[in-house]
Amino acid sequence: EPEVTQTPSHQVTQMGQEVILRCVPISNHLYFYWYRQILGQKVEFLVSFYNNEISEKSEIFDDQFSVERPDGSNFTLKIRSTKLEDSAMYFCASVAESSYNSPLHFGNGTRLTVT
Amino acid sequence: EDQVTQSPEALRLQEGESSSLNCSYTVSGLRGLFWYRQDPGKGPEFLFTLYSAGEEKEKERLKATLTKKESFLHITAPKPEDSATYLCAVVDNFNKFYFGSGTKLNVKP
Repeated sequence: EPEVTQTPSHQVTQMGQEVILRCVPISNHLYFYWYRQILGQKVEFLVSFYNNEISEKSEIFDDQFSVERPDGSNFTLKIRSTKLEDSAMYFCASVAESSYNSPLHFGNGTRLTVT
Repeated sequence: EDQVTQSPEALRLQEGESSSLNCSYTVSGLRGLFWYRQDPGKGPEFLFTLYSAGEEKEKERLKATLTKKESFLHITAPKPEDSATYLCAVVDNFNKFYFGSGTKLNVKP
């Protein structure tokens, strides 16, 4: 069964450094998302992406965040200058078509630790 | 204001002891309600989609139901392998997903 894959599984970085989290969504999916989950808290929406542009973003997704689909398969989340509070699990998700018809399919996440 | 509220936060059951998890929502124009299972260190795994009040879905020991204001995930005769966090999510008219905080289920043998 096709799945969303994320790399790396764990990333440790120093405060102020840039990180890029990578995702390969399911191949025939059209909508892509990044969510984050701070330890013990709820899954929070960051950004959605469709047709090579951001379709929606949350208040969390400020200027230090950016997303890109550099080729036909990868979907990346860049954090330009990491802060301690960026430490969380970051999940990529994709969906085949309009969201209400299909569930989000999640990857297993990247655990980002900012020291 | 929370759009999705799940209760209880945590639930401990003995193996075979049936129970229900609750998900109440306040989004306008509900397009769909989703139940996910999340194991520690993993991404949420899709279980069910419910679209309209009165709808029910079943999978093994799990049964999800939906009313106009809430959904229940019924667990019948649970086993230790059912231990996980169960997440509820709703999608509104703007195709935006809102997640609840989850119910952490622990089934003791």
